[in-house]
Amino acid sequence: DIQMTQSPASLSASLGETVSIECLASEGISNDLAWYQQKSGKSPQLLIYAASRLQDGVPSRFSGSGSGTRYSLKISGMQPEDEADYFCQQSYKYPLTFGSGTKLEIK
Amino acid sequence: EVQLVESGGGLVQPGRSLKLSCAASGFTFSNYYMAWVRQAPKKGLEWVATISTSGSRTYYPDSVKGRFTISRDNAKSSLYLQMNSLKSEDTATYYCARHFSNIGTTPFAYWGQGTLVTVSS
Repeated sequence: DIQMTQSPASLSASLGETVSIECLASEGISNDLAWYQQKSGKSPQLLIYAASRLQDGVPSRFSGSGSGTRYSLKISGMQPEDEADYFCQQSYKYPLTFGSGTKLEIK
Repeated sequence: EVQLVESGGGLVQPGRSLKLSCAASGFTFSNYYMAWVRQAPKKGLEWVATISTSGSRTYYPDSVKGRFTISRDNAKSSLYLQMNSLKSEDTATYYCARHFSNIGTTPFAYWGQGTLVTVSS
């Protein structure tokens, strides 16, 4: 199985600050990497797919990058509504696996 | 608008069975792979099952293989998850999810609101 190691586990950021979340795959996943946002009490929402493609309707302050085994999600200018849990997920092969999540809070 | 509405969750004793349903609307159901993903209380996300567009191919992680069965009824735009021999570790909110396309190894583009399954005596 492909293990997805996500860091940090938690993060606190000021409004307007740029934040980054990392995801490391245990083997190469050919950019088959997605990022999800989950707000408190809500279901997850797809933000980024294919490592860097923005899902329809997602604000442009969100961006994804990476290749091989290392991927990252960047939020350029933290907004109040960005406070949430974030998860990465590989769709390269079965079993589909998720990172353990990052809790992003406003400082 | 894509809508996925789960039902069938509840309290069940260990070793018993439960069947979840998901009603889909707002897209051509038969054109997409579908999945179930679960989230234990205060925990991360775990993929549970995926089914092909026709239902002929199914995929599971080892944690549920042999106990859970995913199925679909394209005529009713409905997805199901039959869960047998339930364990306490199966306690979670179960989400119905639509894959990005007609391929199973793609992200989950849309999610339902989830249904809570609690396995306890």
